[in-house]
Amino acid sequence: EAQVTQNPRYLITVTGKKLTVTCSQNMNHEYMSWYRQDPGLGLRQIYYSMNVEVTDKGDVPEGYKVSRKEKRNFPLILESPSPNQTSLYFCASSFSGKFNEKLFFGSGTQLSVL
Amino acid sequence: GQNIDQPTEMTATEGAIVQINCTYQTSGFNGLFWYQQHAGEAPTFLSYNVLDGLEEKGRFSSFLSRSKGYSYLLLKELQMKDSASYLCAVLSDYKLSFGAGTTVTVRA
Repeated sequence: EAQVTQNPRYLITVTGKKLTVTCSQNMNHEYMSWYRQDPGLGLRQIYYSMNVEVTDKGDVPEGYKVSRKEKRNFPLILESPSPNQTSLYFCASSFSGKFNEKLFFGSGTQLSVL
Repeated sequence: GQNIDQPTEMTATEGAIVQINCTYQTSGFNGLFWYQQHAGEAPTFLSYNVLDGLEEKGRFSSFLSRSKGYSYLLLKELQMKDSASYLCAVLSDYKLSFGAGTTVTVRA
């Protein structure tokens, strides 16, 4: 089954403790992206990747890191999480990230930073 | 990013029709998407418009007017399962930006 898999589904952590949210897709998509979703603000892009070893900042990249060493994986890293990073996070992918390609979303990760 | 506006909430009765409007201000327009998101779940693709006019897909239709920076999503014969948030997203200079979403509640 074609899908985007995110883990974990829920995560509670404390300020400053490094964490990684994993994302994997099995559709051989070149484009992958991370979004955060907050009430009243909609989905905001954190980082995106057009291909292996190619990553770029989105609208809200501060406090986050990503890597794209393999085509299928695009982990999101929070080196020193802070409470303002409490949010619902979605990973998404598409074939090339251009034109009319729909995004396939993972199931989401609800992160709480205490 | 782009300025994308859509109503926060709408309520309608089962079997009725609801129209969700989306206005945007952008340059380098490449297309407009509508996604559906049930509470606690991932967004799923509904429609894509790049040319002016109406695209019909079963009970759902999407309209675009590029000159007016306006789109709407029309949901007909509403069912309880249509209760969800509907996200308008604009592709501009190959960058996708989302509106805050419209929560539709369908009542029996």
